[in-house]
Amino acid sequence: NAGVMQNPRHLVRRRGQEARLRCSPMKGHSHVYWYRQLPEEGLKFMVYLQKENIIDESGMPKERFSAEFPKEGPSILRIQQVVRGDSAAYFCASSPTSGSHNEQFFGPGTRLTVL
Amino acid sequence: GQQLNQSPQSMFIQEGEDVSMNCTSSSIFNTWLWYKQDPGEGPVLLIALYKAGELTSNGRLTAQFGITRKDSFLNISASIPSDVGIYFCAGQLYGNAGNMLTFGGGTRLMVKP
Repeated sequence: NAGVMQNPRHLVRRRGQEARLRCSPMKGHSHVYWYRQLPEEGLKFMVYLQKENIIDESGMPKERFSAEFPKEGPSILRIQQVVRGDSAAYFCASSPTSGSHNEQFFGPGTRLTVL
Repeated sequence: GQQLNQSPQSMFIQEGEDVSMNCTSSSIFNTWLWYKQDPGEGPVLLIALYKAGELTSNGRLTAQFGITRKDSFLNISASIPSDVGIYFCAGQLYGNAGNMLTFGGGTRLMVKP
C-alpha cells in the first residue's frame, strides 16, 4: 500500500523561474493538504483541496502561489517567479475524508532551493 | 491565529531514560496528534488523541489529551538511539474551520549513547 508520494524530492530554481511540486495522495484518499517548513521550524498550513475544489487556502500567499487537485492526476503546488524566501521544504498530506478520526499522512517532501 | 508552544525545544538524554515533552495552545482543539520527523523525511504519525482526558499508548510512547483541550504531552519510556529525531505536536480543529493542522515548533531529541 503506497504512501503519499511527492516529486521531485529536491528542486533547484533560479530567482524568477517557476516551481511545480507534485503530490499523489494515498490510495483511497480524496483530501490533500500542503504545508511549508522552514529550517528549524514546525510545518505551516498552506492549502486544503479536494478533487477539483480548493476548500481552504487561508495559509497560502495571495501572490505567485497556486494549487490544484484535478479530477485525474496528482495535486500540483505551483510557485511562479520564485524568490529566495521561497526556499523551504514543502510537504503534502492526505486523508480519506474530513472530520474526526481522519488522520493526515505525510509524504517525504520536496526541498526547494532558490538560487 | 492559533499558537502552539512546544517544550522543551531540544533535549539530550541518556539511553534508557524516560522523556517527556508537552504542547500548550492559546485555544482549544478537537484532536491532538504527535508526529516524529527524521532528517530529510516527512512527519510520521505516532499517536492521535480525540477526546479530552484521553490517554493513549503506542509501544513505549504514551500521550494524553489535556482536560482543558488546550494541551497535550508525550512520554517516551526507556529511550533508545533510534528515538533521535524531531517530535512535533499538532492540533486540529475540524469542521467549518477546515481540517488544517497547527504544528508546534518541535522538540529535538538527542540520545547520548
